[in-house]
Amino acid sequence: AQTVTQSQPEMSVQEAETVTLSCTYDTSESNYYLFWYKQPPSRQMILVIRQEAYKQQNATENRFSVNFQKAAKSFSLKISDSQLGDTAMYFCAFMKPSRSYQLTFGKGTKLSVIP
Amino acid sequence: NAGVTQTPKFQVLKTGQSMTLQCAQDMNHEYMSWYRQDPGMGLRLIHYSVGAGITDQGEVPNGYNVSRSTTEDFPLRLLSAAPSQTSVYFCASKSPGWALHFGNGTRLTVT
Repeated sequence: AQTVTQSQPEMSVQEAETVTLSCTYDTSESNYYLFWYKQPPSRQMILVIRQEAYKQQNATENRFSVNFQKAAKSFSLKISDSQLGDTAMYFCAFMKPSRSYQLTFGKGTKLSVIP
Repeated sequence: NAGVTQTPKFQVLKTGQSMTLQCAQDMNHEYMSWYRQDPGMGLRLIHYSVGAGITDQGEVPNGYNVSRSTTEDFPLRLLSAAPSQTSVYFCASKSPGWALHFGNGTRLTVT
């Protein structure tokens, strides 16, 4: 079974600064997908970024980028130029290709952006 | 294009009552699923469907039933609610590719 660990329950960052959220995972699979989801106080689950394990290049979406280290089973999220709207819970998630498309989530990191 | 729509947003039930959480999507996605989110945890898969007439169990299916009579709708039924089913429930569908897109959730409290 896969497990996803987010070791930072809470983090804070000053507005306009950069912050990195950590995620490690455990799997014996060689082909899989990794995701970061954002959950603001509104409760909505919003896809931030995704990474295919077979791709060596790190994914980037505007101010969000990942550092994917396959051998170390590490998948950290970097948020640049932090904005107040980035305040949210962030969940790292793992998916192995299967009929169920099941996502295995970490417990989340609560990020607060301070003005 | 409304995406994934869940109703109701909030619900309070007494132990033993039944209810159905509704989920609809207008994107013609074949795959839909239900997750629950408990405090301090990420989401866990309850049931999923890969198309009309096809459903299967996820990680935590006990106490829940599903059916999929149309591509658009995927309701989740609680036949006899228990306090352990107090949670936030999310419905999701999948577009081509490997990413799930979630509805806004239903907060259910069972007293």
